[in-house]
Amino acid sequence: QKEVEQNSGPLSVPEGAIASLNCTYSDRGSQSFFWYRQYSGKSPELIMFIYSNGDKEDGRFTAQLNKASQYVSLLIRDSQPSDSATYLCVVRAGNNRKLIWGLGTSLAVNP
Amino acid sequence: SAVISQKPSRDICQRGTSLTIQCQVDSQVTMMFWYRQQPGQSLTLIATANQGSEATYESGFVIDKFPISRPNLTFSTLTVSNMSPEDSSIYLCSVESISLAGYTFGSGTRLTVV
Repeated sequence: QKEVEQNSGPLSVPEGAIASLNCTYSDRGSQSFFWYRQYSGKSPELIMFIYSNGDKEDGRFTAQLNKASQYVSLLIRDSQPSDSATYLCVVRAGNNRKLIWGLGTSLAVNP
Repeated sequence: SAVISQKPSRDICQRGTSLTIQCQVDSQVTMMFWYRQQPGQSLTLIATANQGSEATYESGFVIDKFPISRPNLTFSTLTVSNMSPEDSSIYLCSVESISLAGYTFGSGTRLTVV
């Protein structure tokens, strides 16, 4: 059974701090990794994607991938109250277009 | 990325009836995906809709319960048939971006079965 594991939270950080969201996956053949943000009552929206080991930065967001440890993370710098949402880790294995979704981590950024 | 119009946005239905959800994409896409998100849960893939062929259903989902149409490359419907309260959920359609860098979602249909 292919799985994606996330800490459900809630993760609470003060405004301006760094929020660190973590995810582990079980399928070593996984090739593509995505972070989606979902506000309550809304559909998921793509925040970051990463394919290669290392870090990928986009504005206040940094995705980190370690395939040897089967670990992917998302860092949010200078967290804002508007970042308060559920963050979903998503993994796609090899040539299979099927996505495996984590249950999500709830993030609360406190003013 | 593609823009998806999904409707209805929400509905309250009687048990035993059926509801058809529509998704219209502003560009041609090969595959469209239908998901269900139950309260407090993550997304579960129901089926993949390919134009010109039968939809491919995931384990636990059957065509009689969730018939799908895909008449062209920009449109698809999902029907939730013979509904029961357990079908109360958010239903989402999705397409893969042209750049293959992720997936775009419709705004979702919040279904309540009473």
